[in-house]
Amino acid sequence: KAGVTQTPRYLIKTRGQQVTLSCSPISGHRSVSWYQQTPGQGLQFLFEYFSETQRNKGNFPGRFSGRQFSNSRSEMNVSTLELGDSALYLCASSLAGPKSSNEQFFGPGTRLTVL
Amino acid sequence: GQNIDQPTEMTATEGAIVQINCTYQTSGFNGLFWYQQHAGEAPTFLSYNVLDGLEEKGRFSSFLSRSKGYSYLLLKELQMKDSASYLCAVRDLKTGGSYIPTFGRGTSLIVHP
Repeated sequence: KAGVTQTPRYLIKTRGQQVTLSCSPISGHRSVSWYQQTPGQGLQFLFEYFSETQRNKGNFPGRFSGRQFSNSRSEMNVSTLELGDSALYLCASSLAGPKSSNEQFFGPGTRLTVL
Repeated sequence: GQNIDQPTEMTATEGAIVQINCTYQTSGFNGLFWYQQHAGEAPTFLSYNVLDGLEEKGRFSSFLSRSKGYSYLLLKELQMKDSASYLCAVRDLKTGGSYIPTFGRGTSLIVHP
């Protein structure tokens, strides 16, 4: 079974630009979550999508948005990039439900650098 | 909301045992996870606890006490490859039915010869 894939793996942008990151979950997984990871901050939750609907959202500004398609693939978009947006963006997929461990499987991440 | 605390950094000797603690405050507790993350790589699942007690899986064990809001990850017979960041994550039922866990900042474990 293929794992979670993310594209691109590395990205360099300049302030003010926008960026779109893509995530393909494990086949059969309907929940896709996005996290931002920076040194010393740990994994900061951005949002979760389930069946094409945003089900949960973290404390990030509206510049961060996302969507999920009918095949469960997800994209996240960051507009008007700031230097502080430089981070590793991780996508995780899970079966999503209350009665099992429902561990999250993480993709390799997209390393975004904003200059 | 949730508040998850774990030590920032720990060091240990190859072959030894190390215990990484995690304390949390949450409502509607629905499970605690431990993940391992090597530098430059994605987190990988280690363990899941939802009931009190010890879960053993090879060299790694995880303990949970829900009444104390406390968990620990125990690593035995440490190997150099165990040098990594260990993330504690707590799940509770969120608005809308989501079961996404909240992660602590991670404990960086350094294993030296």
